Amino acid sequence: NAGVMQNPRHLVRRRGQEARLRCSPMKGHSHVYWYRQLPEEGLKFMVYLQKENIIDESGMPKERFSAEFPKEGPSILRIQQVVRGDSAAYFCASSPGQGLTDTQYFGPGTRLTVL
Amino acid sequence: AQSVTQLDSQVPVFEEAPVELRCNYSSSVSVYLFWYVQYPNQGLQLLLKYLSGSTLVKGINGFEAEFNKSQTSFHLRKPSVHISDTAEYFCAVNSGGYQKVTFGTGTKLQVIP
Repeated sequence: NAGVMQNPRHLVRRRGQEARLRCSPMKGHSHVYWYRQLPEEGLKFMVYLQKENIIDESGMPKERFSAEFPKEGPSILRIQQVVRGDSAAYFCASSPGQGLTDTQYFGPGTRLTVL
Repeated sequence: AQSVTQLDSQVPVFEEAPVELRCNYSSSVSVYLFWYVQYPNQGLQLLLKYLSGSTLVKGINGFEAEFNKSQTSFHLRKPSVHISDTAEYFCAVNSGGYQKVTFGTGTKLQVIP
């Protein structure tokens, strides 16, 4: 059973470009979470999605950021018109359910560098 | 609201010595507590979790943690560390209606040969 997969592992963008980060959850998991880790900081919750639904996006910046988890295919975190402050590691996690006892399994992350 | 405090940003320790990484939390409701480890350039791996029951929780790689409700703490311990334990350790809490996990800022454990 493959773990959570994220691609690309490293992404370099110039200011103003778009960044697309992909996350394939573990088989059988229908709950996906995105976190951002800034240098020297812990992970900050961004968004929680189930298939075709955004459940909680309270951690997402109001502008330029969006996320989706379509019925088919991976979850996508999209950052439009990137700025240097978007440089960070973005982690995806998945779980089989939304219960508090369901463990979140993390992917290896995508490290975004904005030049 | 829930929050996690990891007071020590870095902990150096000699190989085979014991170690304790501190974690304090705040929450107005019942909590579930976790410790994750992050090796360089990798994602987070679950070490152990406290959901209910015994306050002493044993995890992988010889780690254990004790939930102390009165002190709102969940410190991580290992009696004898190895070089391979060098990594960053994150304490996390979840007290929401679903898995909205709040992470601490992390503690970098450096094991010295």
